[in-house]
Amino acid sequence: GAVVSQHPSRVICKSGTSVKIECRSLDFQATTMFWYRQFPKQSLMLMATSNEGSKATYEQGVEKDKFLINHASLTLSTLTVTSAHPEDSSFYICSASIGTAINQPQHFGDGTRLSIL
Amino acid sequence: AQKITQTQPGMFVQEKEAVTLDCTYDTSDPSYGLFWYKQPSSGEMIFLIYQGSYDQQNATEGRYSLNFQKARKSANLVISASQLGDSAMYFCAMRLNNAGNMLTFGGGTRLMVKP
Repeated sequence: GAVVSQHPSRVICKSGTSVKIECRSLDFQATTMFWYRQFPKQSLMLMATSNEGSKATYEQGVEKDKFLINHASLTLSTLTVTSAHPEDSSFYICSASIGTAINQPQHFGDGTRLSIL
Repeated sequence: AQKITQTQPGMFVQEKEAVTLDCTYDTSDPSYGLFWYKQPSSGEMIFLIYQGSYDQQNATEGRYSLNFQKARKSANLVISASQLGDSAMYFCAMRLNNAGNMLTFGGGTRLMVKP
């Protein structure tokens, strides 16, 4: 089945550091990928839609300068948390689907647990 | 705007018994898809089952089945013969035909299977 790889799985770093998270579709091409944020015991919150070759579409309330998204190829999207602070600590997870048919599920990476000290 | 509601924050079920996880949705769009995902404590999201708004029959996938009641706008997940490994968070999600690939998620239900 379709596989989405996300790296790294866990990051612990100091406040002020920028952190890059990679999301790769391993066996299919993804023109669109999605980035979600999940707080403990809560649901997934869509942060942005990553579009290959164009700017990402951010959800309301998500700072585009804080969460930089780049989708330079059909198999790779990156999320960079710039100048991270403790309040950015969270679980970040990406997804992609094969094609645009409504019955196509989104396939998720394994997520990244980000801890800012 | 579309909305997904899961009213059960937590559920217990005895091993080997069946359990139903509730999901109701709200949309005026006639064409939509409904998905269920499982999220174990390790965090990955596992796709379980899909139901399309025009599907005449309830979806089934192994021990998972959907009780789809379109008029009531509900798509409850039924897990038969529960196993200890079924303990996880379960999310219902909806995708609209005119919203690209975007999914809207419910708040989730934590299922705990008792031995």
